[in-house]
Amino acid sequence: QVQLQESGPGLVKPSETLSLTCTVSGGSISSSSYYWGWIRQPPGKGLEWIGSISYSGSFYHNPALKSRVTTSVDTSSNQFSLKLSSVTAADTAVYYCARQEFYYDSSGHQKYFQHWGQGTLVTVSS
Amino acid sequence: QSVLTQPPSASGTPGQRVIISCSGSSANIRSNTVNWYQQLPGTAPKLLIYSNNQRPSGVPDRFSGSKSGTSASLAISGLQSEDEADYYCAAWDDSLNGYVFGTGTKVTVL
Repeated sequence: QVQLQESGPGLVKPSETLSLTCTVSGGSISSSSYYWGWIRQPPGKGLEWIGSISYSGSFYHNPALKSRVTTSVDTSSNQFSLKLSSVTAADTAVYYCARQEFYYDSSGHQKYFQHWGQGTLVTVSS
Repeated sequence: QSVLTQPPSASGTPGQRVIISCSGSSANIRSNTVNWYQQLPGTAPKLLIYSNNQRPSGVPDRFSGSKSGTSASLAISGLQSEDEADYYCAAWDDSLNGYVFGTGTKVTVL
């Protein structure tokens, strides 16, 4: 069973860059059937997709965050990462990493998150 | 602001049937498959329904999904106390070229 675990600082200063890493265990990150995604949830609010990246480096980012988001993948370490620049208090949230199934079948394009990390709270404050 | 709209809350007594709606557009729900997630308090979301109406292994058949045009629905039959959670619809949006979540619905078991 694949497992994902987020890691990174829990406190980031305004205007700095938030950096998180997701370590994948129980399966290889190098599969063409999956993308590897980041989702966040501000306290008391809903879910927001940040972006997804494949093992080969192809990616999709949320247009609302596009200019501030960088995603990368390290197949040798079975990890993928998120960097969010110029953070403000509005970026305070629980950040989740997840595996996104990414395939096409008779019903159409399938793109859903089946396996999630437990989430990590990142607070933006001076 | 989410492009998928859900009612903020829904409720029912144990054993009742609750239906949650998800309204979108041609760019997302009409063109792509819909997924549903359940988020219990203090936990990560869990995939409940994928490809409009498919249940992952381990999800009770009390949960069912459907889609028509630019809207989708999640039905919970035989409501149980452990179903008290937040529920989110989601789909790929071709205009945004990204994945979008619904606004979320909090289900309360009375």
